[in-house]
Amino acid sequence: DQQVKQNSPSLSVQEGRISILNCDYTNSMFDYFLWYKKYPAEGPTFLISISSIKDKNEDGRFTVFLNKSAKHLSLHIVPSQPGDSAVYFCAASDTGANSKLTFGKGITLSVRP
Amino acid sequence: DSGVTQTPKHLITATGQRVTLRCSPRSGDLSVYWYQQSLDQGLQFLIQYYNGEERAKGNILERFSAQQFPDLHSELNLSSLELGDSALYFCASSSTLPGPRANVLTFGAGSRLTVL
Repeated sequence: DQQVKQNSPSLSVQEGRISILNCDYTNSMFDYFLWYKKYPAEGPTFLISISSIKDKNEDGRFTVFLNKSAKHLSLHIVPSQPGDSAVYFCAASDTGANSKLTFGKGITLSVRP
Repeated sequence: DSGVTQTPKHLITATGQRVTLRCSPRSGDLSVYWYQQSLDQGLQFLIQYYNGEERAKGNILERFSAQQFPDLHSELNLSSLELGDSALYFCASSSTLPGPRANVLTFGAGSRLTVL
């Protein structure tokens, strides 16, 4: 049973445009959500997070939106840059239980120059 | 450098063999997590240790075991290896102390295991 779903395996956008990466979850106990970025031959690196008490968190070019009623979150990257090309993983945790993260399968983002 | 060190980076072995993957967490982090990433799969949680004690268990096979030592480094032991065990194995650590990164896991670069 996949509790965190990233249904689009890939996304290609033009440099300078907006990238929107989507993520859905099924476990209503999840209360903390994170996005990680992964380059080839490296481990995932933390990008941005959001607590369930918020619906938006912004950090520079990256903004994460959370819609709890729809159990949906999205990552917006504006403007997109070629260096953003990577695999993006959505992750979630039930912080009341423990701190482990449940990950989606990832989305490969390609930003065309 | 994330501060989480994993060795070896690459490992090639044969079916039926046993290997040990090692992880040193970030300085000060008490929690260690192991994840497996197989082809076309996300990161699958295997097991978590906190200050030497097992804290949570995921989809870890009985052929696999792990432990965290007093110096907080961790080892993941994989035995009776099968072709399907070929994967990237990631270790992560977290501090769990209150603060902005309390629930953020920091990952190592991974150990790529190939079973032939």
